[in-house]
Amino acid sequence: DIQMTQSPSSLSASVGDRVTITCRASQSISTYLHWYQHKPGKAPKLLIYDASTLQSGVPSRFSGSESGTDFTLSISSLQPEDFATYYCQQSYSIPPTFGQGTKLEIK
Amino acid sequence: QVQLQESGPGLVKPSQTLSLTCNVSGGPMYSSNFDWSWIRQPAGKGLEWIGRSGSTDYSPSLKSRVTMWMDTAKNQFFLKLTSVTAADTAVYYCVRERDYFDYWGQGTLVTVSS
Repeated sequence: DIQMTQSPSSLSASVGDRVTITCRASQSISTYLHWYQHKPGKAPKLLIYDASTLQSGVPSRFSGSESGTDFTLSISSLQPEDFATYYCQQSYSIPPTFGQGTKLEIK
Repeated sequence: QVQLQESGPGLVKPSQTLSLTCNVSGGPMYSSNFDWSWIRQPAGKGLEWIGRSGSTDYSPSLKSRVTMWMDTAKNQFFLKLTSVTAADTAVYYCVRERDYFDYWGQGTLVTVSS
């Protein structure tokens, strides 16, 4: 299985801050990398697919980028509704695997 | 708008079989562009892909215990997981899968306990 390693595991930030979450794949996955937001008691929500394509309806403050096997999710100006756990996921090979998650908390 | 809803028992005894149904509405089930899958999340842990119904690809770690299938006429797909243990206690999600998972059910908690 391809291992996906996210960093940091948790992050404290304030409304208006810019934050970046990193996801590293254990091998090359091209751009088969996707990002999700998950709030307690709710279904995960797709934010970005194919490393950098914004899902319809997702605010433009979210963006994704790729450099080799390293991927980043950036939020340009945190809003109160952005505090959640974020997961990356690879679809390069079966089984699809997720990172362990990054919990974004209010400072 | 595609919507998914899981249903099934919330409590299963150890060694028995976990069976869940996902009802799909708002769009066709049959397409070459996507498949219908199950993902689970144990409490306090990350997301784990279980498998997909159309192509019947399963997670290697669960393959010996998992069966999935679809009934496109009823807009449903199904999960069966045999010989469950406490380690199978989790929230189970049904999802639509392209390369990514774009539509999710709300999730259903299944607890394995005697």
